[in-house]
Amino acid sequence: DQQVKQNSPSLSVQEGRISILNCDYTNSMFDYFLWYKKYPAEGPTFLISISSIKDKNEDGRFTVFLNKSAKHLSLHIVPSQPGDSAVYFCAAIPIFGNEKLTFGTGTRLTIIP
Amino acid sequence: KAGVTQTPRYLIKTRGQQVTLSCSPISGHRSVSWYQQTPGQGLQFLFEYFSETQRNKGNFPGRFSGRQFSNSRSEMNVSTLELGDSALYLCASSLAVAGYQETQYFGPGTRLLVL
Repeated sequence: DQQVKQNSPSLSVQEGRISILNCDYTNSMFDYFLWYKKYPAEGPTFLISISSIKDKNEDGRFTVFLNKSAKHLSLHIVPSQPGDSAVYFCAAIPIFGNEKLTFGTGTRLTIIP
Repeated sequence: KAGVTQTPRYLIKTRGQQVTLSCSPISGHRSVSWYQQTPGQGLQFLFEYFSETQRNKGNFPGRFSGRQFSNSRSEMNVSTLELGDSALYLCASSLAVAGYQETQYFGPGTRLLVL
């Protein structure tokens, strides 16, 4: 049972445009969400996170939006750059500070120069 | 501050053997979690250690075990290796302040190939 889902396995975006990566979750006990970026043969790198008490968090070119009622979050990258080409994972942590991360299956983002 | 380090980076074993992987967390981080990444299953949680105790465990067989030392370094052991254990094993650390959700920081991983 996939509790965190990324329904788009891949996404191609023109350089300079906006990249939007989506993530849905089913477990209502999740209340802290993170996005990680992963290059081949490397560990995931933390990008940005959001707590369920917020609906938006921004850090430079990266913005994460959370819609709790829809159990949906999205990552916006503006403007997209060639170095953004990687696999992006969303992950969730349940309430009570449990350290276990539940990951989505990932979306491969390709930025076209 | 140095990041999470994992050794070895690459490993080749044969079926039936056992393997031990090592992880050194970021200095000051007390929680270490292990994940397995495979093409078919994605990133899956193995277990988490905090203060030398296993605090959480994923749905993996007992062949997968781990431990944490007093300096927060952690080891993961897989006994009686199977072909399906071929994967990238990732270690992540966090400060683990009680009751506060925190970001985990990942090491580069150990790529294990079982022949």
